[in-house]
Amino acid sequence: DGGITQSPKYLFRKEGQNVTLSCEQNLNHDAMYWYRQDPGQGLRLIYYSQIVNDFQKGDIAEGYSVSREKKESFPLTVTSAQKNPTAFYLCASRSGASNTGELFFGEGSRLTVL
Amino acid sequence: GENVEQHPSTLSVQEGDSAVIKCTYSDSASNYFPWYKQELGKRPQLIIDIRSNVGEKKDQRIAVTLNKTAKHFSLHITETQPEDSAVYFCAASNRAAGNKLTFGGGTRVLVKP
Repeated sequence: DGGITQSPKYLFRKEGQNVTLSCEQNLNHDAMYWYRQDPGQGLRLIYYSQIVNDFQKGDIAEGYSVSREKKESFPLTVTSAQKNPTAFYLCASRSGASNTGELFFGEGSRLTVL
Repeated sequence: GENVEQHPSTLSVQEGDSAVIKCTYSDSASNYFPWYKQELGKRPQLIIDIRSNVGEKKDQRIAVTLNKTAKHFSLHITETQPEDSAVYFCAASNRAAGNKLTFGGGTRVLVKP
């Protein structure tokens, strides 16, 4: 069953702790993305990667880090430097190096900082 | 970088009426404009897209129009049904910006039976 899988679905974190969100895809897509969704603010791009071992900052990269060691995996670490980390995080992937084409989303991870 | 503005933020329509959502973009190099629908508790899914070499595209009850000169594009839903209730996002992308896809703030559409 092809798709994009995010885990965990819900995550609670204490202030000052780093947390890593997992994103795995078996669609053989080259490009992968991380978005943050807050009420009334749409989807804001955190990081994206077009190829293994390469990634670029999005519009709100501060306090986040990523890696792309394998084509199918693009984990996101929310560090203690992120001032307001409570949010819904969506991972997505797209095939090819083109800027067109459908973005396939995971089901999301909801992070709550206590 | 690209900035996409979307209006209105909420839209309530009577079943059977039409709904129109408008977006403006800032980067004249943008050439790809998709629309995504996110139902409550679900992931966003592509419903229609348009490229800059086309002025209008239609798929059953959904249509998108693009005005490159004015840098705005719109989503039109005709004969709305309760299952059209969702949050809709517009987006813009161009190759020169490294294939980034920038989304608008979203429109929550409620179709009243």
